[in-house]
Amino acid sequence: DTGVSQDPRHKITKRGQNVTFRCDPISEHNRLYWYRQTLGQGPEFLTYFQNEAQLEKSRLLSDRFSAERPKGSFSTLEIQRTEQGDSAMYLCASSSYIGGGSEQFFGPGTRLTVL
Amino acid sequence: DQQVKQNSPSLSVQEGRISILNCDYTNSMFDYFLWYKKYPAEGPTFLISISSIKDKNEDGRFTVFLNKSAKHLSLHIVPSQPGDSAVYFCAASKGGNTPLVFGKGTRLSVIA
Repeated sequence: DTGVSQDPRHKITKRGQNVTFRCDPISEHNRLYWYRQTLGQGPEFLTYFQNEAQLEKSRLLSDRFSAERPKGSFSTLEIQRTEQGDSAMYLCASSSYIGGGSEQFFGPGTRLTVL
Repeated sequence: DQQVKQNSPSLSVQEGRISILNCDYTNSMFDYFLWYKKYPAEGPTFLISISSIKDKNEDGRFTVFLNKSAKHLSLHIVPSQPGDSAVYFCAASKGGNTPLVFGKGTRLSVIA
């Protein structure tokens, strides 16, 4: 399967703990995006990369959140000192920047539950 | 403020009939629009897209219509099948593979 993969699929943690999620994009895609989805809402943008450069961060991304894409391939999203409000589905997507519009392809997501 | 709005939380359609899902947007800078389908516990799956230079795009049973003056787009599914039952999200971007802005989704139920 050459789609976007995410690990883990599910994570349960206690409030105050740190968690890290991984995303592996489609191999030839140079753009990688992180979104968060809560119940009853559409996905909301968090941050995105072109190769290893982080191009934009949403105001939703508090200073407890950090994302990296060190070699322009996989990416990690870390949440420090988790809070119950961080419980959500974290989605990763990738696309190939060729100018104009292009589809983003999503992974299966990581479901985070903060107790 | 919600820049992309899907005002119908749910829609039920009989198998074989047409499903029409609607979406409105407020930001005139959006120039690329997409529809995604989502099953529970899975990521969104891309369905169809349209650039602002077009007013219609068709792919098999799926057709997207764009009315720029009304800032409105719609997704038509003909004929509807039970496997189409899912949540459908409308999304928009300012082009150039910039981040997507999503609506809240419409849950489509196709009844056999």
